[in-house]
Amino acid sequence: QSALTQPRSVSGSPGQSVTISCTGTSSDVGGSNYVSWYQQHPGKAPKLMIYNVSNRPSGVPDRFSGSKSGNTASLTISGLQAEDEADYYCCSYAGTYTWVFGGGTKLTVL
Amino acid sequence: EVQLVESGGGLVQPGGSLRLSCAASGFTFSSYTMNWVRQAPGKGLEWVSYISSSSSTMYYADSVKGRFTISRDNTKNSLFLQMNSLRDDDTAVYYCVRVVSYGWFDPWGQGTLVTVSS
Repeated sequence: QSALTQPRSVSGSPGQSVTISCTGTSSDVGGSNYVSWYQQHPGKAPKLMIYNVSNRPSGVPDRFSGSKSGNTASLTISGLQAEDEADYYCCSYAGTYTWVFGGGTKLTVL
Repeated sequence: EVQLVESGGGLVQPGGSLRLSCAASGFTFSSYTMNWVRQAPGKGLEWVSYISSSSSTMYYADSVKGRFTISRDNTKNSLFLQMNSLRDDDTAVYYCVRVVSYGWFDPWGQGTLVTVSS
C-alpha cells in the first residue's frame, strides 16, 4: 500500500490556474474511476472537492476540476482565490476494500 | 445535516489500548460502509480500516493489522475502533468517514487525537 505521489507544494497568484498531479499505479489510480480529492485547511477536517475523477459535489465552485490520464490524476484550480490556500490530498480505491492517499500538496496563493 | 462526531481519544502509554467511538446522525447509518482514516501530526492522510454496512467484512491497513479492530452498532448509529498494542507511530488524529459507493469519503468527522507516549 504505497502512497500516491503528489508534489509537496505548488503556488500561484490570485486569478491564475494551478494543477496538482497525483501519480499511482495500474492497481489504483490507473485501474480505478474512484479517484477523489480533498481540501484541508489548517486545524480542520478534510473536505471532499472532487469524486469519481472529475465530479464536483454540490457547493464546490466550478473553479475546481479533475481529470485522469493513465496512472496520473490531476486537480486543476482556476481563478485562484486566497481561500484556496490549503493542503490538497488525492485518494484512490486500490481494490478489495482498501484505499490509498497521496502525500498531500500545500497550495500557496501568492 | 449529515454529521459524524468522534470521541475517545487521549494520551496512552506505548503498549496500551484505547477505544474510539463515532456517533453518526442525519443519514441511514446502517446503509453505508464506514472507514477510519488517520493523520499523524504534520503528516498526510492514511487509510486505516473499513467495515461493511452489515459488519460482514472488515479490512485493515498493514500498519494496524492484528492490533486494531473495527466494529459498528447499527442500532445505535455508532462506529468503533479498538486499538491495542499501541505504538508511538500510532499518534495521530483519527477521523471517522462515511464511504460513498466505494469511491469517496463524505463527510468527515472533526477527528479525535490519540497520543501514544510514555
